[in-house]
Amino acid sequence: DAGVIQSPRHEVTEMGQEVTLRCKLISGHNSLFWYRQTMMRGLELLIYFNNNVPIDDSGMPEDRFSAKMPNASFSTLKIQPSEPRDSAVYFCASSLDSTGTADTNEKLFFGSGTQLSVL
Amino acid sequence: AQSVTQLGSHVSVSEGALVLLRCNYSSSVPPYLFWYVQYPNQGLQLLLKYTTGATLVKGINGFEAEFKKSETSFHLTKPSAHMSDAAEYFCAVSGWNTDKLIFGTGTRLQVFP
Repeated sequence: DAGVIQSPRHEVTEMGQEVTLRCKLISGHNSLFWYRQTMMRGLELLIYFNNNVPIDDSGMPEDRFSAKMPNASFSTLKIQPSEPRDSAVYFCASSLDSTGTADTNEKLFFGSGTQLSVL
Repeated sequence: AQSVTQLGSHVSVSEGALVLLRCNYSSSVPPYLFWYVQYPNQGLQLLLKYTTGATLVKGINGFEAEFKKSETSFHLTKPSAHMSDAAEYFCAVSGWNTDKLIFGTGTRLQVFP
């Protein structure tokens, strides 16, 4: 398996433009997490899905951010309109949900991230 | 609610010296604790984890961590640092009832020859 695949690796855009980040889960995984990493705040959990259903989106900064899972293996994170303060590295991670068992969080697999720069 | 505090955003050691990265947690349920490592321009990789059982956990690359409930700590150690250990290290907390991981702000480890 190629692991969690994120695209694009780098995105440079102008303020006000729409940005779409993409993530392909590892085959067979059913939990999907979007994290944002900045120098000031470290790694922040934005939203996570289980079996395509959003479970917790309390970390989504504001309405400009939205995330979807159109199918079991793919997710998008959209920012519309983008702002300079959205500049960060966005990571997607997947796992096989095992909540309530000793294998919970057996392993969270991270993609290589998308470096977003909003000018 | 759960949270993690990593003391020291930067740690510098000489090659061969002891590595100690500090992590304290807060959790309303018995915690599951993790250390992840991030090399430049890469995603995070799991180093080790504690869920239940033995409180001293051994991970990859010679790292280990000890869960101390009385101190609410899960410090990461390695007896002898290598140059290749230079990276950013993240402590994280979760619980049996969720797959949601809460990360600390990270500690950047520098290793000098």
